[in-house]
Amino acid sequence: GDSVTQMEGPVTLSEEAFLTINCTYTATGYPSLFWYVQYPGEGLQLLLKATKADDKGSNKGFEATYRKETTSFHLEKGSVQVSDSAVYFCALSEGTGNQFYFGTGTSLTVIP
Amino acid sequence: DAGITQSPRHKVTETGTPVTLRCHQTENHRYMYWYRQDPGHGLRLIHYSYGVKDTDKGEVSDGYSVSRSKTEDFLLTLESATSSQTSVYFCAISAVAGGGYNEQFFGPGTRLTVL
Repeated sequence: GDSVTQMEGPVTLSEEAFLTINCTYTATGYPSLFWYVQYPGEGLQLLLKATKADDKGSNKGFEATYRKETTSFHLEKGSVQVSDSAVYFCALSEGTGNQFYFGTGTSLTVIP
Repeated sequence: DAGITQSPRHKVTETGTPVTLRCHQTENHRYMYWYRQDPGHGLRLIHYSYGVKDTDKGEVSDGYSVSRSKTEDFLLTLESATSSQTSVYFCAISAVAGGGYNEQFFGPGTRLTVL
């Protein structure tokens, strides 16, 4: 079945450091891939997405590229800020389907 | 903002009591979901609905029931709450975004504590 595996946390970085959170997936078809962010005390918000191979999703300085050959969708940011402290979830859905599969989340803390 | 509200936002209850959580949406989305979030487990799907009176089980449905009598409301009921159901509960909807692909949008969550 479909599944998502993402890097275990927690991750602690200094401000302006480079961030990578790894995400790999298993899917039977051609999934859409997502990164969601959850700030403390809030629900999940869509951060970025990619719907086909080699697409790059980007938002707020974060980027992720849909790599079909390695079944990966790693999240990156060149220079993190304290305000990026949150939990990040990788997720997939099959094409135009309505079933979504989430990773376990990676907690990021950025220290000044 | 997909117009999703959850009530209550916080609840403390005792073991054995029934509890109902409400999810309300304002945009007539067909698909609605209930998840629970626990440390180390991420989000786990409890139940989902694909229309009025059409529901199905997720991976952790034991001890939970749902009802959807109107498009805008999706209720989650814990028939007899247990301490293992202490969690944060999120409602979500699925909506078609640009390109014809679906995205999920989440409510703010309900923190439930069962003593």
